[in-house]
Amino acid sequence: SQQGEEDPQALSIQEGENATMNCSYKTSINNLQWYRQNSGRGLVHLILIRSNEREKHSGRLRVTLDTSKKSSSLLITASRAADTASYFCATAAEGSARQLTFGSGTQLTVLP
Amino acid sequence: NAGVTQTPKFRVLKTGQSMTLLCAQDMNHEYMYWYRQDPGMGLRLIHYSVGEGTTAKGEVPDGYNVSRLKKQNFLLGLESAAPSQTSVYFCASSYKGIVNYGYTFGSGTRLTVV
Repeated sequence: SQQGEEDPQALSIQEGENATMNCSYKTSINNLQWYRQNSGRGLVHLILIRSNEREKHSGRLRVTLDTSKKSSSLLITASRAADTASYFCATAAEGSARQLTFGSGTQLTVLP
Repeated sequence: NAGVTQTPKFRVLKTGQSMTLLCAQDMNHEYMYWYRQDPGMGLRLIHYSVGEGTTAKGEVPDGYNVSRLKKQNFLLGLESAAPSQTSVYFCASSYKGIVNYGYTFGSGTRLTVV
């Protein structure tokens, strides 16, 4: 079963624009993580936000977490063609810190 | 600085054949995982290990077996391959679980069962 569901499934923007992806989940979490996957490659860890945090930044990435709505968003500012990839959210369930459950991902295309 | 290495990268099997996928990590991570990724879906956990000599079932364990005889290696076995096991398989590792740490992934094994 998918714990996290990303929205939209696909997103196409122009270089320089901001990209926002959303993730909804079902159960209480310990933390939520975002990963990037370039075509034909493995996933790369981007950022981790804990359940007691509301916002986190890393370079051009901004992640927010709303535990009351069970949702998170990933904002990529000033996007570049190299940001073209699939982005996945993954959740670590509260009380079970041994594994992550992944959503189905958002395919981001940044047009030059 | 190899990280997580998966072998082989590609494989074609006939239905009923067996094979073993190898995952090796050089980061001294305690936790290791095997996921499968199918088109349009996220990753689904097959099996995982929280330390040398331990294994546990994930979401989709049927048809697979695993072993973790050495801390740095995590093997995934298919005893009798079926077309439904056509997928991309990813190994990942984590330093003492995912409360504070993310996963490091390998580059994947693309398996086709005909």
